[in-house]
Amino acid sequence: EAGVVQSPRYKIIEKKQPVAFWCNPISGHNTLYWYLQNLGQGPELLIRYENEEAVDDSQLPKDRFSAERLKGVDSTLKIQPAELGDSAVYLCASSLGGGAGNEQFFGPGTRLTVL
Amino acid sequence: AQSVTQLDSQVPVFEEAPVELRCNYSSSVSVYLFWYVQYPNQGLQLLLKYLSGSTLVESINGFEAEFNKSQTSFHLRKPSVHISDTAEYFCAAGNTGGFKTIFGAGTRLFVKA
Repeated sequence: EAGVVQSPRYKIIEKKQPVAFWCNPISGHNTLYWYLQNLGQGPELLIRYENEEAVDDSQLPKDRFSAERLKGVDSTLKIQPAELGDSAVYLCASSLGGGAGNEQFFGPGTRLTVL
Repeated sequence: AQSVTQLDSQVPVFEEAPVELRCNYSSSVSVYLFWYVQYPNQGLQLLLKYLSGSTLVESINGFEAEFNKSQTSFHLRKPSVHISDTAEYFCAAGNTGGFKTIFGAGTRLFVKA
């Protein structure tokens, strides 16, 4: 069974440029998460989807970040414009259900460097 | 859970020695507890979890963790580590009946020959 797929794996951009990350979750997983992981820190939730609905986006900086999960499968996270402080690893995860007791399956992440 | 604290950022240990990675959490309600492992260039993957029942949980590769409610801890232990256990380990907690998982900052385990 294929795991969570993310692309690109690495991205280098200049500040003020836009950037987008793509995630394909495990087939059948209704819940999809985007996390931010800064160097030396654990993952921090940005947004959680149940199917195509964003049910928790309280930590998403909506002035520059946006996300979508059309048809409740693949998801895209966008930053426009990027700032130096956005340099981090962006993780996508999926699970069968959204409850906190569910195992989350993580992709390898996208490492973003903003120059 | 409000927070998860991993007390050691790095733990160097010799091969075949025992190891303990410490994790404490804070929560006003019952919690689920997890340990995830991240090998180089890979995503996090579940190592073991406590949902309810026996407070001692084990993984298939020899790790174990014990839920201690009075100490609000969920320390990870292995009696004899291998070189292949070199990785970053994340402790995580979520409130029973809730939807959010809080991760600790991670502990980098480095096993030396």
